[in-house]
Amino acid sequence: DTAVSQTPKYLVTQMGNDKSIKCEQNLGHDTMYWYKQDSKKFLKIMFSYNNKELIINETVPNRFSPKSPDKAHLNLHINSLELGDSAVYFCASSRGQGRQPQHFGDGTRLSIL
Amino acid sequence: DQQVKQNSPSLSVQEGRISILNCDYTNSMFDYFLWYKKYPAEGPTFLISISSIKDKNEDGRFTVFLNKSAKHLSLHIVPSQPGDSAVYFCAASPTGTASKLTFGTGTRLQVTL
Repeated sequence: DTAVSQTPKYLVTQMGNDKSIKCEQNLGHDTMYWYKQDSKKFLKIMFSYNNKELIINETVPNRFSPKSPDKAHLNLHINSLELGDSAVYFCASSRGQGRQPQHFGDGTRLSIL
Repeated sequence: DQQVKQNSPSLSVQEGRISILNCDYTNSMFDYFLWYKKYPAEGPTFLISISSIKDKNEDGRFTVFLNKSAKHLSLHIVPSQPGDSAVYFCAASPTGTASKLTFGTGTRLQVTL
């Protein structure tokens, strides 16, 4: 009974390709996030949506485009993949924008060849 | 610019003893702090949080202490158990944007028998 689920778990692809990562939460939360954990283990926020509205966009290249079809889903589409995009991408959700703990998915490991 | 620092990459503690994990921050606007625990191939799991109006928060075996003047917080685990072996991340958010978390790079805790 996974609360925040991401697919796929692993993604291996070549430079220049376009790929998507999907995220779904069944917690009834209003706010969802995408984080990137790089090779140095820094976990950095990329985007946040609240009720399908973008509220945080952290200077991410515009090759990255989040899409929230409803408040239970937040997908991440990446165009023209580059070597530096190799990382683990985590989706998370929280009850709201206030002081609520964020619940994370298990991550998607993206490897660019 | 690393605003949340966990200077000890690893820590080894015997079962039954106290584990103390430390975290320092530089941004004086941070006023909400959290600790997350992460097992391999899983997402971070929320453990405990503290607001800047308090200096201590306790939940079972886990206690977080906040020293605002020193911009330092610590997580105490008593008694430590083998299942506590994981990577622990400290996170902080600034006033008004409680959902925008900045994470440290983590401390790997190993609890030995």
